[in-house]
Amino acid sequence: AQTVTQSQPEMSVQEAETVTLSCTYDTSESDYYLFWYKQPPSRQMILVIRQEAYKQQNATENRFSVNFQKAAKSFSLKISDSQLGDAAMYFCAYRFSTGNQFYFGTGTSLTVIP
Amino acid sequence: DTEVTQTPKHLVMGMTNKKSLKCEQHMGHRAMYWYKQKAKKPPELMFVYSYEKLSINESVPSRFSPECPNSSLLNLHLHALQPEDSALYLCASSRLGGPMNTEAFFGQGTRLTVV
Repeated sequence: AQTVTQSQPEMSVQEAETVTLSCTYDTSESDYYLFWYKQPPSRQMILVIRQEAYKQQNATENRFSVNFQKAAKSFSLKISDSQLGDAAMYFCAYRFSTGNQFYFGTGTSLTVIP
Repeated sequence: DTEVTQTPKHLVMGMTNKKSLKCEQHMGHRAMYWYKQKAKKPPELMFVYSYEKLSINESVPSRFSPECPNSSLLNLHLHALQPEDSALYLCASSRLGGPMNTEAFFGQGTRLTVV
């Protein structure tokens, strides 16, 4: 079974501070893609960042960066300089390179404290 | 155009009604998905269409009937639903194959309430 574990159901961070959301996954495949999605109360799932498993370099997108540890099957998301608009549910997900199914974690609810 | 458009945004229906949810994308994606999502839970996969053919059906009850009339459109026909079917229904699309743009693009969802 393909599983994605997000061990932090809820997190909070002070505005302008840094927070890290954790994600681990279990797969025997070697070629896959990893994603972090954000779902604010407006409910649309928005891609935050993407990582190709064959790339050793960690992906970054402005204030968002990942720590990808392939051997440990870990894919954490770091949000720097947190803003009020970052408050949302965050889902970790992956997809095999040869497949069309996405496997989602259980989500982390992030609160940003002004 | 990187949008997935879902209509309607909200739907209230009785248990004897028949209704349809619609989803449209013009990104040339050949994979389209229906997900069901309960509050504060991850999306649950219902159906996947690949090249307009149903490729995955996650044992969804027959009161949900998907349809993919062409590569841009995806419908979900609803009939004789139960109150526990009330949820957010998300449509998504993605490319098939290749290293670029491998993510799924999601619509804003239809908030369905069954009364």
